[in-house]
Amino acid sequence: DSGVTQTPKHLITATGQRVTLRCSPRSGDLSVYWYQQSLDQGLQFLIQYYNGEERAKGNILERFSAQQFPDLHSELNLSSLELGDSALYFCASSVAAGNEETQYFGPGTRLLVL
Amino acid sequence: QKEVEQDPGPLSVPEGAIVSLNCTYSNSAFQYFMWYRQYSRKGPELLMYTYSSGNKEDGRFTAQVDKSSKYISLFIRDSQPSDSATYLCAQGATNAGGTSYGKLTFGQGTILTVHP
Repeated sequence: DSGVTQTPKHLITATGQRVTLRCSPRSGDLSVYWYQQSLDQGLQFLIQYYNGEERAKGNILERFSAQQFPDLHSELNLSSLELGDSALYFCASSVAAGNEETQYFGPGTRLLVL
Repeated sequence: QKEVEQDPGPLSVPEGAIVSLNCTYSNSAFQYFMWYRQYSRKGPELLMYTYSSGNKEDGRFTAQVDKSSKYISLFIRDSQPSDSATYLCAQGATNAGGTSYGKLTFGQGTILTVHP
């Protein structure tokens, strides 16, 4: 158990809908990262937050947004969902940002868009 | 060209074999390297972390980095059926001042099966 929690574990929804994925980092970790894992693209970095502020952006679609709250939990919002958004979404956390910090991954949320 | 190339396998070996998993990368900004293990339907689990060329050993696992060739390897000795999983190499980049960009760039993952 990495100490990172994610809810829900599974999500089935329809195209055009909006969903929110939630992540709680390990105790003491200030950085949260979101990754998407699909069969064809592998594990891709989406976005990083550090202590409530956006730190880095990767291949995140404009339909997707995230935020980190004062209690350090983070939410990833996916809107106008398309079939191609079906994937595993992972949250990872690390102690800090700006140095070589190892990232610990949560169990993921499996999203299926029908 | 992808920044990280990893042979997806699948790789099937008998119990007790030595397993060699490899990645090549093209981005010279990658300065620290990790290996993650991912069981089916689970999150990636950190196995090894290193930031310098050379070998790092942890039990049955040895990570090897050759920055001059942009080549990283993970060796598993005395492989066990419980080692059956997908192994992902990951790289992190730093700027000229040594500050990490934070994000990790992953290989596609190699599927390993160790059969009894």
